[in-house]
Amino acid sequence: GAVVSQHPSWVICKSGTSVKIECRSLDFQATTMFWYRQFPKQSLMLMATSNEGSKATYEQGVEKDKFLINHASLTLSTLTVTSAHPEDSSFYICSAGDRLGFYGYTFGSGTRLTVV
Amino acid sequence: QKEVEQDPGPLSVPEGAIVSLNCTYSNSAFQYFMWYRQYSRKGPELLMYTYSSGNKEDGRFTAQVDKSSKYISLFIRDSQPSDSATYLCAMQTTGNQFYFGTGTSLTVIP
Repeated sequence: GAVVSQHPSWVICKSGTSVKIECRSLDFQATTMFWYRQFPKQSLMLMATSNEGSKATYEQGVEKDKFLINHASLTLSTLTVTSAHPEDSSFYICSAGDRLGFYGYTFGSGTRLTVV
Repeated sequence: QKEVEQDPGPLSVPEGAIVSLNCTYSNSAFQYFMWYRQYSRKGPELLMYTYSSGNKEDGRFTAQVDKSSKYISLFIRDSQPSDSATYLCAMQTTGNQFYFGTGTSLTVIP
């Protein structure tokens, strides 16, 4: 079945630094990737949708300059949290879809970001 | 009104019980319906995927969709402690818009 690999699984960084999270589709071509954020005991909140080779589409209220998304290839998308602050601490999860249109089908294992 | 409504629980049942999890929705454009299981600090794992009204069974899990009532359910038979997790319903339009429920926290007590 489809596998999405997400790294790192957890990261601690200092306030003001940037953190990059990678999401790779291992056995299929991910034309679309979704990035979600999840606070404790809450559901997934879609942050942005990225299509390979084009700019990401951000949800309302998500700062595009703070959460930089790159989807340069069919198997890799990255989310960079720039100038991280403690309020950015959260669980970030990617999801990848293939050309068949089963978007949001396979999730990565998530990245727990803690900003201190 | 939210696109997808799901009772957050928590739901606590004894081992062996039948669990019923439900979601309602308002958008008639939803055509695909999914149930995910999420263990603590892990990404969601797809359990069931269906696109038509009726029942779909997979082992101890049965997904039920009633498009006329805009209501979906997930039944877990012979529940096990390993079923303890958060269960998220998700719905997708033909335009590939994707919405999650808030998740229901389930604990199965040995």
